[in-house]
Amino acid sequence: EDQVTQSPEALRLQEGESSSLNCSYTVSGLRGLFWYRQDPGKGPEFLFTLYSAGEEKEKERLKATLTKKESFLHITAPKPEDSATYLCAVHRGLGDYKLSFGAGTTVTVRA
Amino acid sequence: KAGVTQTPRYLIKTRGQQVTLSCSPISGHRSVSWYQQTPGQGLQFLFEYFSETQRNKGNFPGRFSGRQFSNSRSEMNVSTLELGDSALYLCASSLGPFNGRANDEQFFGPGTRLTVL
Repeated sequence: EDQVTQSPEALRLQEGESSSLNCSYTVSGLRGLFWYRQDPGKGPEFLFTLYSAGEEKEKERLKATLTKKESFLHITAPKPEDSATYLCAVHRGLGDYKLSFGAGTTVTVRA
Repeated sequence: KAGVTQTPRYLIKTRGQQVTLSCSPISGHRSVSWYQQTPGQGLQFLFEYFSETQRNKGNFPGRFSGRQFSNSRSEMNVSTLELGDSALYLCASSLGPFNGRANDEQFFGPGTRLTVL
């Protein structure tokens, strides 16, 4: 069974204090690893998809990286508006048609 | 381009009733998936539809069902509601068949908050 574990569960940062979130996974035949951001009471907002080990993607202050066992989401010089829950999910691709999500990391950035 | 829309946004029902939730995918998207989100279990997959065919179903009882129409719009139905069905129900759409190919991303709607009393 696919397992997706995110750590830490919660992260409190000072504005400008860079940090990383971890997503470790055990899945056979990973086809894609997805990162989403979710604000309270809203649906997840798509951030990145990573397809192969060594791949990196960036968007504003966020950078996602992928290895064969885990993915990291780096937040550089965060601002209060980066406060949200960050979710990672894995997709096994062919014949699966679903995402398996981790529990998320809730990030709070204080001004 | 409009995003995924879900109606209603909020719903209050009592135990034993049934409910139907609606999802309109992004224009041109043909795959629609449904997820249940609760504080205890997180996001869990319910089912996925592509071209009106259910291709995958999560580990939920038969009280949960869905369908997709020819215009790709989808509905899910929960019969004989239980207190534990209280959750945020999320719909997501993707352009292609969502089989893991490059650029096969899944976009979520705002969800329907269901409360069962």
